[in-house]
Amino acid sequence: QKEVEQDPGPLSVPEGAIVSLNCTYSNSAFQYFMWYRQYSRKGPELLMYTYSSGNKEDGRFTAQVDKSSKYISLFIRDSQPSDSATYLCAAGGYNKLIFGAGTRLAVHP
Amino acid sequence: DTAVSQTPKYLVTQMGNDKSIKCEQNLGHDTMYWYKQDSKKFLKIMFSYNNKELIINETVPNRFSPKSPDKAHLNLHINSLELGDSAVYFCASSQAAGSTDTQYFGPGTRLTVL
Repeated sequence: QKEVEQDPGPLSVPEGAIVSLNCTYSNSAFQYFMWYRQYSRKGPELLMYTYSSGNKEDGRFTAQVDKSSKYISLFIRDSQPSDSATYLCAAGGYNKLIFGAGTRLAVHP
Repeated sequence: DTAVSQTPKYLVTQMGNDKSIKCEQNLGHDTMYWYKQDSKKFLKIMFSYNNKELIINETVPNRFSPKSPDKAHLNLHINSLELGDSAVYFCASSQAAGSTDTQYFGPGTRLTVL
């Protein structure tokens, strides 16, 4: 079992849709959780970062962590074609990040 | 003024060859990383250096040898390349060694072993 599990998709949605991306993790020692966005042929870039259970909002993006069920989510409201990318969740601990497999998202006009 | 840069961007080579990938960061960060991303987009850490010292060495064949001449540079040398080494290799850096710090990734080096 991978330490961080993520459905690779692909996920295709129409412009304006609400997107829900999800990951689960197995190690309860993980303390912080991140979402990275990776455009095609580019390096990943940090999108959101959370420490604790609950929600964190930044513009159209909301990151949610439920430590009791070891579940992390990213919601994208009013999705745009420019949101088309691969989204990688990551869990932090032991001085390193463990990444999920990434979910490829396509938002079509 | 690219924050994390890698060279080359593309590398095509034959099995059995030895090759190097270079990475430089101009962010003044103390910690640098090498990641491997396979064809399914799975990103996995290989090595981490903090102030030129190795702090993370995952289960990576010893054909892979990182070298950090100073804290702004972390190079990756690969001996006796194999087909399974084909992947995109990303360099990253962060302010400190703790994984709470944001990691900034380079553009990647796409390695193809024929």
